[in-house]
Amino acid sequence: KNQVEQSPQSLIILEGKNCTLQCNYTVSPFSNLRWYKQDTGRGPVSLTIMTFSENTKSNGRYTATLDADTKQSSLHITASQLSDSASYICVVILTSGTYKYIFGTGTRLKVLA
Amino acid sequence: NAGVTQTPKFQVLKTGQSMTLQCAQDMNHEYMSWYRQDPGMGLRLIHYSVGAGITDQGEVPNGYNVSRSTTEDFPLRLLSAAPSQTSVYFCASSYSGGPFFNEQYFGPGTRLTVT
Repeated sequence: KNQVEQSPQSLIILEGKNCTLQCNYTVSPFSNLRWYKQDTGRGPVSLTIMTFSENTKSNGRYTATLDADTKQSSLHITASQLSDSASYICVVILTSGTYKYIFGTGTRLKVLA
Repeated sequence: NAGVTQTPKFQVLKTGQSMTLQCAQDMNHEYMSWYRQDPGMGLRLIHYSVGAGITDQGEVPNGYNVSRSTTEDFPLRLLSAAPSQTSVYFCASSYSGGPFFNEQYFGPGTRLTVT
């Protein structure tokens, strides 16, 4: 079954600290993997898009990594800010016959002052 | 550009009522989609459109209708609201070629409660 699982479900960190969010997937075959940030009460906003051949992609303080062999991705946030408080959603694009977004359920991050 | 806009932001319906959720985009995107987001679940695709006059079903289409008469607008109609349709609804759009290789832009969402 094509699934995307994220961990942890929720995370609390202090401002200025780093953190890493995990995404494990069983989707196969896939064309690309995406990380989205969703602020409370808003729609998801794309952070990174990685094809299956890419290992890492950065967007400011956000760095995503992808290991297609182990089917794992991570999102590393450096020097966290209060504005990083949000849900982070991992999405894998399935390409078997038809294309389909497979969404994870997200990690809820709270950054405290 | 306003991007993707949705109205209303909040709505409460009684069981059996019908309503239309509005979605518009000003980016001249061909591809538009409707998703619902429920607690503890990933977003699920309701309906999508690859251009004006062309729509198709996603994974959870029952109880919803769509039409696409213009490139800009993609309304979602609830025919007879049920409590199971209580959810947050997101509209999204992307360039021709679809959201699978291009960026997908989401609207701010409509929070719907059916009592």
